[in-house]
Amino acid sequence: DTGVSQNPRHKITKRGQNVTFRCDPISEHNRLYWYRQTLGQGPEFLTYFQNEAQLEKSRLLSDRFSAERPKGSFSTLEIQRTEQGDSAMYLCASSLAGTGEPWETQYFGPGTRLLVL
Amino acid sequence: AQSVAQPEDQVNVAEGNPLTVKCTYSVSGNPYLFWYVQYPNRGLQFLLKYITGDNLVKGSYGFEAEFNKSQTSFHLKKPSALVSDSALYFCAVRDYRDSNYQLIWGAGTKLIIKP
Repeated sequence: DTGVSQNPRHKITKRGQNVTFRCDPISEHNRLYWYRQTLGQGPEFLTYFQNEAQLEKSRLLSDRFSAERPKGSFSTLEIQRTEQGDSAMYLCASSLAGTGEPWETQYFGPGTRLLVL
Repeated sequence: AQSVAQPEDQVNVAEGNPLTVKCTYSVSGNPYLFWYVQYPNRGLQFLLKYITGDNLVKGSYGFEAEFNKSQTSFHLKKPSALVSDSALYFCAVRDYRDSNYQLIWGAGTKLIIKP
């Protein structure tokens, strides 16, 4: 399968614990996005990478959230000191685009569903 | 501010009938518009997008969408619905003048196709 993959698919944790999610984008895709989706809502943008550089981070993103893409390939999203409000589906997407091309198609992974007890 | 509205939470259509899922948008410049579909417990799948040119865009699985600049709409259509089309549909927009690359998403429309 050459699509976007995410691991784990499901995560249950207790409030206050740290969690880390991994995203493997489509090979050679230079852009990678993280979104959060809650029930009945559309995806909410969290952050965006162009290769290994994190170029944008949502103002809504708490300091407890951090993301990396160390070699410009896979990415990790870490949530520290989880809260019940962090319970959501976390989606990763990747795309291939040149400079100044904002119309590229984003391809999504299956998501990681997080439940914070 | 950019925004997307999907005015219907749910659309019910009988199998074989045409379907329309509505989307309106608000951007300060020219828009790039996208439709995605989400099946239960799965990620979003790209259906089609409008960049420029022909107002009628054809996409995957027999879907098409019509861009209407005067009405700021980008409705998703299909001539004959299938039960397997039942899913959650999202419209998204990006302003071509926007220096960032965020997609702004609608809240989604649940499409139910009845046999």
